[in-house]
Amino acid sequence: DAKTTQPNSMESNEEEPVHLPCNHSTISGTDYIHWYRQLPSQGPEYVIHGLTSNVNNRMASLAIAEDRKSSTLILHRATLRDAAVYYCILRDRTTSGTYKYIFGTGTRLKVLA
Amino acid sequence: DAGVIQSPRHEVTEMGQEVTLRCKPISGHDYLFWYRQTMMRGLELLIYFNNNVPIDDSGMPEDRFSAKMPNASFSTLKIQPSEPRDSAVYFCASSLDRGRSTDTQYFGPGTRLTVL
Repeated sequence: DAKTTQPNSMESNEEEPVHLPCNHSTISGTDYIHWYRQLPSQGPEYVIHGLTSNVNNRMASLAIAEDRKSSTLILHRATLRDAAVYYCILRDRTTSGTYKYIFGTGTRLKVLA
Repeated sequence: DAGVIQSPRHEVTEMGQEVTLRCKPISGHDYLFWYRQTMMRGLELLIYFNNNVPIDDSGMPEDRFSAKMPNASFSTLKIQPSEPRDSAVYFCASSLDRGRSTDTQYFGPGTRLTVL
């Protein structure tokens, strides 16, 4: 079901930038790319989303490839509090015409002090 | 707003018992989702509601699971009878206007269910 591919884990040093990649080669023209993260013992939380152009918000930046088959979530200065599982998600259209997020295994980010 | 509220945060029960999980969505949100998270299967959508009406329950594992949303501010997920394989963390989430491609889901803290 999952239409995205992410590395299982990554490490980063504190206060350095982190680039989390995601491949979504089967993306359709109207699919938005969503990123959520899940901190330990918490529910997932929204990080950022985009369609074609690069996006910035207070948490992160999202760089989307020109062909939209891949994207990269950028944390400009990783902190210990950014240690989490990061999910890159497309909405999946079901046979009944409804939509649902398919959460894959995500990337577990470890931030080293 | 206090965000999505779930209760209880932890539930330990014995096999065969009825379990009821509760959720209060963010005020004004008209979509509500129930997810289950396990190590083996990750995060799975069980069911979602729009304006208190169930829209897609294809993720509900079997008849032992049922969900209701009697009003805009309350939903329950019931398991009867419970089995050890139901042990998981159950999340409730809500969102506003899912018609667009940009719906953002806000998750609650989850209920950790252990069935002995």
